[in-house]
Amino acid sequence: DAGVIQSPRHEVTEMGQEVTLRCKPISGHDYLFWYRQTMMRGLELLIYFNNNVPIDDSGMPEDRFSAKMPNASFSTLKIQPSEPRDSAVYFCASSLWHGEQFFGPGTRLTVL
Amino acid sequence: AQRVTQPEKLLSVFKGAPVELKCNYSYSGSPELFWYVQYSRQRLQLLLRHISRESIKGFTADLNKGETSFHLKKPFAQEEDSAMYYCALSAGSNYKLTFGKGTLLTVNP
Repeated sequence: DAGVIQSPRHEVTEMGQEVTLRCKPISGHDYLFWYRQTMMRGLELLIYFNNNVPIDDSGMPEDRFSAKMPNASFSTLKIQPSEPRDSAVYFCASSLWHGEQFFGPGTRLTVL
Repeated sequence: AQRVTQPEKLLSVFKGAPVELKCNYSYSGSPELFWYVQYSRQRLQLLLRHISRESIKGFTADLNKGETSFHLKKPFAQEEDSAMYYCALSAGSNYKLTFGKGTLLTVNP
């Protein structure tokens, strides 16, 4: 298994544009997590899913952010419209029930 | 609400010296504590968790409920230990991880 896969690895966009980040979890894992990492706030959990169902989205900063998991092998995090303060590294992680979380390589987002 | 504090952003030691990375937490229940590590150009990965009580790569961490701490220790640091270390807490029956802001450890030759 290649581990958790994220795309794109780098994204540069202009303010106001829509951004879509993608994640493929490890096959068989039933939990999927989206995190955001910034210098100021560190690593923050945005939302997590169990069996494709969103369980807790209390970390999603505002309505501009949305996440979906249409099936067990794919999730998206969308920002619309994007703002410069959204610039960060976004990580996806997956795990089995109450197990170790395996992280993807991250997507570095820059909003100009 | 739970919180994890890593008081040191940067920690620099010489090879062979003991190293301790501090982690304090606040949570009213019984937490599960973890240490994650990110080596240069690699993914964030689990180093150890308190319930397993293992020693990984020579590192140990003991949960001290009285002091609400989970410090990471190694008696003799190696250059390959240079990395970013994150302490994390999982509270109760949910699987959310609350991370500290991390400590960048540099082991000098």
